[in-house]
Amino acid sequence: QKEVEQNSGPLSVPEGAIASLNCTYSDRGSQSFFWYRQYSGKSPELIMSIYSNGDKEDGRFTAQLNKASQYVSLLIRDSQPSDSATYLCAVKDSSASKIIFGSGTRLSIRP
Amino acid sequence: DAGVIQSPRHEVTEMGQEVTLRCKPISGHNSLFWYRQTMMRGLELLIYFNNNVPIDDSGMPEDRFSAKMPNASFSTLKIQPSEPRDSAVYFCASTLGEETQYFGPGTRLLVL
Repeated sequence: QKEVEQNSGPLSVPEGAIASLNCTYSDRGSQSFFWYRQYSGKSPELIMSIYSNGDKEDGRFTAQLNKASQYVSLLIRDSQPSDSATYLCAVKDSSASKIIFGSGTRLSIRP
Repeated sequence: DAGVIQSPRHEVTEMGQEVTLRCKPISGHNSLFWYRQTMMRGLELLIYFNNNVPIDDSGMPEDRFSAKMPNASFSTLKIQPSEPRDSAVYFCASTLGEETQYFGPGTRLLVL
């Protein structure tokens, strides 16, 4: 069974600080990785995708990928209260046309 | 684009009743996924279709669940008979090229 593991949290971060979210996965052949954000009562929405080792930056968000360690992370700089949500790590199955989701990390930004 | 459309948005039913959830994917997308989300189990993939063909239904909990995709613009997920443990949020998502998945707003199902 291919798995994606995340700390469920909650992770509490002061406003303006850096929030760091982590994820590990078991499918060594995976090539595509995603971070989804889900506000309470809403549906998941894609915020970042990453396919190569290293860092990918988009505004305040930076995704980091290390395939050798099977590790993906998401950094949120200058955290805002509006960043409070559950963040789902997702990994494309290397042998099927589906994405495997982690259980999510609940992030709370305190003013 | 209207995005993925799901109906109904909320459903309350009694145990033993049949429940039908509906999904209209984004026009042009060739893959459709049905998920179930609960606090205990997170987001679970139930079944997915490529070009209207069911590819993997290994996530369907049991024979009470069935899904169809008669054409590229419509899919249904049916539960018959429903049970209280089926209470959850059911999401439909669609994608083009097996990458970014776009989720619908979900159907919140409560089985009494």
